[in-house]
Amino acid sequence: LAKTTQPISMDSYEGQEVNITCSHNNIATNDYITWYQQFPSQGPRFIIQGYKTKVTNEVASLFIPADRKSSTLSLPRVSLSDTAVYYCLVGDMMNRDDKIIFGKGTRLHILP
Amino acid sequence: ETGVTQSPTHLIKTRGQQVTLRCSSQSGHNTVSWYQQALGQGPQFIFQYYREEENGRGNFPPRFSGLQFPNYSSELNVNALELDDSALYLCASSLAPGTSHEQYFGPGTRLTVT
Repeated sequence: LAKTTQPISMDSYEGQEVNITCSHNNIATNDYITWYQQFPSQGPRFIIQGYKTKVTNEVASLFIPADRKSSTLSLPRVSLSDTAVYYCLVGDMMNRDDKIIFGKGTRLHILP
Repeated sequence: ETGVTQSPTHLIKTRGQQVTLRCSSQSGHNTVSWYQQALGQGPQFIFQYYREEENGRGNFPPRFSGLQFPNYSSELNVNALELDDSALYLCASSLAPGTSHEQYFGPGTRLTVT
């Protein structure tokens, strides 16, 4: 399983764009990158998943460079309700025995 | 469509006791995974059940055991509770095993061992 490294915490202000970068230097060919969001006392919630280049949905964008050794979750125009822990995960999409392994995540704090 | 539900919400047990936590998977999902989340930490994978069989286990001792029923609901049992077992226990269901399938998490059960 590829290990991921994220900043422990980040602060930003309402209305700004927030970018959280995750390093996964030993990512394998079949590995996809997935991000989850977790609010206090709730279970994590899927945000976005991608393999390469850029993926965008109604919540966020995910930028993955050509070497795939890192990825950046971009949250546009954040609000106070985006204060949460964000987890970057890497997993083998082709291996049904692969399991979702969480690291410590990035604690994002949005300020008014 | 009903989401993942867990019961009870909160639980207080004494060291040495046994506990059973329950999880109802989302409709159509045959895979359930259990996680333990200590305060300030990410969720730690305990084990996964797929079609009533254990399908992978994390680094947890045998006193952590589980079951999956024909309707794909699941139980997590913990024997001989220790103080360090105090945590939020999360259940997640998915359409099938593997990381390609989005996991849907329940709200968790907060277990306190005194």
